[in-house]
Amino acid sequence: GNSVTQMEGPVTLSEEAFLTINCTYTATGYPSLFWYVQYPGEGLQLLLKATKADDKGSNKGFEATYRKETTSFHLEKGSVQVSDSAVYFCALSALNDMRFGAGTRLTVKP
Amino acid sequence: NAGVTQTPKFQVLKTGQSMTLQCAQDMNHNSMYWYRQDPGMGLRLIYYSASEGTTDKGEVPNGYNVSRLNKREFSLRLESAAPSQTSVYFCASRGEGGYSNQPQHFGDGTRLSIL
Repeated sequence: GNSVTQMEGPVTLSEEAFLTINCTYTATGYPSLFWYVQYPGEGLQLLLKATKADDKGSNKGFEATYRKETTSFHLEKGSVQVSDSAVYFCALSALNDMRFGAGTRLTVKP
Repeated sequence: NAGVTQTPKFQVLKTGQSMTLQCAQDMNHNSMYWYRQDPGMGLRLIYYSASEGTTDKGEVPNGYNVSRLNKREFSLRLESAAPSQTSVYFCASRGEGGYSNQPQHFGDGTRLSIL
């Protein structure tokens, strides 16, 4: 079946540090891949997406590249801010099967 | 824009009580979903509805029922609540018949505690 594995947290960084959150997936066929962000007390919001191999999704300084050969979709940001503190979820979608990773909590300290 | 609206935001129940969680979307989306979120487990799909008039089981349907009342509304019912159903429940919707490259839009969640 389809599944998503993302790095366990929590992750604590200083402001302006480089961020990587690893995500790998298992899927039959060709899923679409997503990163969502969840702020305290809120639902998940789409951060970025990629729908086919080698696509790069980007938004608000975050990037992730759909790597079919390594079945990965790692999230990166060159310089994090305190306002980036949140929980990040990697997800895949294949038809009506949507699978989420367990989430990675990021805390950015000033 | 309201997007996806869930009610109530918080609820405390006693074991054995029943209740219905309400969800409505104003984006004219065909597909709607109910998830539960538990610490360290991400989101798990309870039920989904690919279109008005259809519903299907997800990963963890036991103990729940759903109703797709119309295109806008998708409710989740707990007939006899159990402490294991303490969780945060999220409703989501997706447009264009649920094509896999479209993202889901989420409500802010219902925080449910069962004593």
